[in-house]
Amino acid sequence: GQNIDQPTEMTATEGAIVQINCTYQTSGFNGLFWYQQHAGEAPTFLSYNVLDGLEEKGRFSSFLSRSKGYSYLLLKELQMKDSASYLCAVRSGTDSWGKLQFGAGTQVVVTP
Amino acid sequence: SQTIHQWPATLVQPVGSPLSLECTVEGTSNPNLYWYRQAAGRGLQLLFYSVGIGQISSEVPQNLSASRPQDRQFILSSKKLLLSDSGFYLCAWNFGTEAFFGQGTRLTVV
Repeated sequence: GQNIDQPTEMTATEGAIVQINCTYQTSGFNGLFWYQQHAGEAPTFLSYNVLDGLEEKGRFSSFLSRSKGYSYLLLKELQMKDSASYLCAVRSGTDSWGKLQFGAGTQVVVTP
Repeated sequence: SQTIHQWPATLVQPVGSPLSLECTVEGTSNPNLYWYRQAAGRGLQLLFYSVGIGQISSEVPQNLSASRPQDRQFILSSKKLLLSDSGFYLCAWNFGTEAFFGQGTRLTVV
């Protein structure tokens, strides 16, 4: 089985930086995803890490440490539209298809 | 480009009625397909996944079933809905490094 833990809620001001941590326990790790989900909408893909290190994509960066079972999503220059739930998901399985298991999500509230 | 279609968008059904939600994928072949449920204020729970036609794996015991009659079609069903089946149902597919979701079906069982 898998345990995926992330904080329930974080609050930050517009223009600031927020780091959302995710820890996981899994067998057959095969990648970690971050998704953004606005209320009432489907999740949208943000990033994917399978090797250790930092992946940067515009204002969003994601980091992975496989030995520690740890990832974080870094949101820079926060904007009001970044208020959403951020989901950490782990893929397991030795095949490329793998199945995705999600954490409960971190609700980020951006204040003016 | 690949797209994923899921319908209906919203559904209100009485307790004890049947359910059929359909998901289709375009622009790819042999996708891995998933059904997730998200209860209000909760995370995504994996219900079923399928790696090919007729191949279904169930993640949690429940009142629901899934079928994959064609390569790019994935169906979620129930013979008799329960109140606890209410939630936001999402179909997803992944191949390689990315995974994508349909727009979801909000099911309310009354």
